[in-house]
Amino acid sequence: NAGVTQTPKFRVLKTGQSMTLLCAQDMNHEYMYWYRQDPGMGLRLIHYSVGEGTTAKGEVPDGYNVSRLKKQNFLLGLESAAPSQTSVYFCASSLVADSNEKLFFGSGTQLSVL
Amino acid sequence: RKEVEQDPGPFNVPEGATVAFNCTYSNSASQSFFWYRQDCRKEPKLLMSVYSSGNEDGRFTAQLNRASQYISLLIRDSKLSDSATYLCVVNGGTGFQKLVFGTGTRLLVSP
Repeated sequence: NAGVTQTPKFRVLKTGQSMTLLCAQDMNHEYMYWYRQDPGMGLRLIHYSVGEGTTAKGEVPDGYNVSRLKKQNFLLGLESAAPSQTSVYFCASSLVADSNEKLFFGSGTQLSVL
Repeated sequence: RKEVEQDPGPFNVPEGATVAFNCTYSNSASQSFFWYRQDCRKEPKLLMSVYSSGNEDGRFTAQLNRASQYISLLIRDSKLSDSATYLCVVNGGTGFQKLVFGTGTRLLVSP
């Protein structure tokens, strides 16, 4: 069972470059999320989606864009990467938004912006 | 004050020891509480939910103290495989967009 798959696992960018992180889930989950994790800070929500064709801003959305054209995929884009976006990015999904429902995370993307 | 605060550790314990972590939260309206486990360079995984009545799963026990606004995780008979970072997660409202993650407490279990 694949669960939540993120690609790529590692990436190094130069300041100003763009890239897209792909998250795919095969569990037919409605809800998908993008988080970033930085040293000394808890995971912070960047953007989320409550269903195909919908997206919403989380706690730290600036500098990122997202799209959910297909239910199983949630893309995170960096149009002009900055060193402050160096982080580990995790995608997650859940069947519903019930707070007692389990969150499933992808294995993460380590992004370095030089 | 951070919404969710944890002692970063590390907590160094020998195998077989009992260890406990606390996590304090600032939002008194919080309704749901969780402990996630995160291995080094891996994704977080749900360890257990924390209910008002407490929750036990094998060697792990989670407790909630609403009056003092903290949750705890007790690990009995520690195993080497318990070495990880334990994230305290609090939901201040409905939906996962309201989840607040603590920075984690690192546990190292030695032989």
